[in-house]
Amino acid sequence: QVQLVESGGDLVKPGESLRLSCAASGFTFSDYYMTWVRQAPGQGLEWMSYISDDGRTTYFADSVKGRVTVSRDNTANSLFLQISSLGAEDTAIYYCARVAVVNGLVSYSYMDVWGTGTAVTVSS
Amino acid sequence: QSVLTQPPSASGTPGQRVAISCSGSSSNIGINVVNWYQQVPGTAPRLLIYKNNQRPSGVPDRFSGSKSGTSASLAISGLQSEDEAVYYCATWDASLNGHVVFGGGTKLTVL
Repeated sequence: QVQLVESGGDLVKPGESLRLSCAASGFTFSDYYMTWVRQAPGQGLEWMSYISDDGRTTYFADSVKGRVTVSRDNTANSLFLQISSLGAEDTAIYYCARVAVVNGLVSYSYMDVWGTGTAVTVSS
Repeated sequence: QSVLTQPPSASGTPGQRVAISCSGSSSNIGINVVNWYQQVPGTAPRLLIYKNNQRPSGVPDRFSGSKSGTSASLAISGLQSEDEAVYYCATWDASLNGHVVFGGGTKLTVL
């Protein structure tokens, strides 16, 4: 069945970097945009980034722009998120999700499949 | 402070109808579609409504969505205990080179 599984979450120290992965299965990964969304403890959902199906186009939230890199390997059905200069504010559960883009318009997109998330804790 | 404004909480008794509002602006809801996500505590979010009023397969028709101008609404009729969750609206915002915005979430309690 359609499935997304995140990994790479860990306890890291402030200032360190971390790379998260998302393994996709059950669908043609290269046909879909993908996204990362995070949720700090007790808080709401925060969108972080979109990456196009071919990996050539990316969008980032202002809150993470410049510290975050998103990439994908369509041959391995995998999505990645690299976060640098981690701070306490990055402590969260990080979800990857599949994005359905309607008629080629990201403004009409929605996240139709979600992973279960991977937890990142930033603490000294 | 979220770009999309939702009430922090809502409640209802089993069988009742509840509506959750989502207020935005001309750069987001006013020109783009609205999606709704349901998050049961301790679980990942799931898509509930997409493109303003479309239900994915498996979502009961008790859930419905609507949009008017710069606001959107999620209605749940025939409220059930399993509907207790946090509900988020989301859309694309055309400002700042484009980005997704979420509402702050509405915690629905079934009394």
